[in-house]
Amino acid sequence: DARVTQTPRHKVTEMGQEVTMRCQPILGHNTVFWYRQTMMQGLELLAYFRNRAPLDDSGMPKDRFSAEMPDATLATLKIQPSEPRDSAVYFCASGQGLTEAFFGQGTRLTVV
Amino acid sequence: AQSVAQPEDQVNVAEGNPLTVKCTYSVSGNPYLFWYVQYPNRGLQFLLKYITGDNLVKGSYGFEAEFNKSQTSFHLKKPSALVSDSALYFCAVRSEGGGSYIPTFGRGTSLIVHP
Repeated sequence: DARVTQTPRHKVTEMGQEVTMRCQPILGHNTVFWYRQTMMQGLELLAYFRNRAPLDDSGMPKDRFSAEMPDATLATLKIQPSEPRDSAVYFCASGQGLTEAFFGQGTRLTVV
Repeated sequence: AQSVAQPEDQVNVAEGNPLTVKCTYSVSGNPYLFWYVQYPNRGLQFLLKYITGDNLVKGSYGFEAEFNKSQTSFHLKKPSALVSDSALYFCAVRSEGGGSYIPTFGRGTSLIVHP
C-alpha cells in the first residue's frame, strides 16, 4: 500500500534550534508539496517541487525556512532558527501531474 | 489566479439525514476538482475527484459530488450521514491554466453528525 511517509511525527524543540522534517514521497510521483496547517491560517502552501526542481516557495519565510529534494525518495523542510510561531502541523504530499495529491500523516511541531 | 470557497465553517446534521458540504471555485481553464477528508491528528485523505465526464462523481465511504459548471460549484453529498463521517472536509481545485499544477485548498468545513 503506497503512502507518503513523514518523520518525525512529533517534535518539541526550544526556540532557536534547527528543525528538520523529512518526507518520502510515493515512488513514481513527480510532484511534492509542503503545507503548513494551523487553526488560524488553515492549509498554507510552503513549497512545491516538480521532478525535484523547486518551482514555488513563495509561501515560505525565506530567512529561516528551506526546502530541498536531495533525491527522488527524500524531501526535507528545515527551519533555522525555529520560533514559537512556527508551531503547527507540517504536511508533505506527493502526486503525479494534475491528479490527486496524497498526504502524509504530518509532523506536529511545537516550539517552546 | 484560482480560488476555492467553502462558505460554511461548520455543518451540523443528524445521523441518517442527507448531508451537503458546499464548495465553489474560480479558475482559468478547465478545473480539476477534489474533495479530501481529515480526521483528528491525521493527514488529508483523498475522497473523490472530477476531471472530465459525468458531472456526478462517486467516491469513498458513500460520498458523491456534483460538478456544476454554470454555478462553478462542486458540492459534496451523502444520502445518509454516519456519526463516523464527522471530520474536516477540504475542497481543492487545480487547473491546466498557467501550468503550475499547484492545488488550491479551501479553508475546510467541519462536519458534525449528531447521533
